[in-house]
Amino acid sequence: QAVVTQEPSLTVSPGGTVTLTCGSSTGAVTSGHYPYWFQQKPGQAPRTLIYDTTNKHSWTPARFSGSLLGGKAALTLSGAQPEDEAEYYCLLTNSDGVVFGGGTKLTVL
Amino acid sequence: EVQLVESGGGLVKPGGSLRLSCAASGFIFSTYSMIWVRQAPGKGLEWVSTISRSSSYIYYADSVKGRFTISRDDSKNSLYLQMNTLRAEDTAVYYCAAKSESYSWGQGTLVTVSS
Repeated sequence: QAVVTQEPSLTVSPGGTVTLTCGSSTGAVTSGHYPYWFQQKPGQAPRTLIYDTTNKHSWTPARFSGSLLGGKAALTLSGAQPEDEAEYYCLLTNSDGVVFGGGTKLTVL
Repeated sequence: EVQLVESGGGLVKPGGSLRLSCAASGFIFSTYSMIWVRQAPGKGLEWVSTISRSSSYIYYADSVKGRFTISRDDSKNSLYLQMNTLRAEDTAVYYCAAKSESYSWGQGTLVTVSS
């Protein structure tokens, strides 16, 4: 199965902008991988933020957006808030299942 | 609103078996694909298995293939994971999730494999 890579950790200042990326060992990530982004806070279940590359749920704060960037899936946070400090996971779909990235621990500091 | 409640976790010895259940409500269960995902203590999310609508196709991660069996009972709005020949490395919180266009998650159930 493909290996999906994410930055292990990132730090953003309150009000700042940060981009998390999600790459695949098999090549460029495309919309055909139906990239998802999940947020997980300590002791909680994951929550879906972005599905199918760019789509948001009703509960997804407007400051989060999804895209494809340089052959990777990307999650951009514009105007970071303290409550955005969390672990973020991407997920890609392939022919025989799905694969999670290793997660990015985002610190708002 | 999609609601998923996992159950069946607990402490089991290496080599033992356990059956997890996921009770679904708030949506038409039969029209959703379902997956199991696990998270070992302090680690990331790991996909375990997928079952499509009508159980037409089923996939497993290599780490559980041949030991775990996913199934569903649409008449009971329930998803199952039969786990056999359990190993210490199977220790994790197991989540079920429902997929239509997006994933909705349960709260998880803890499985501990230890002697």
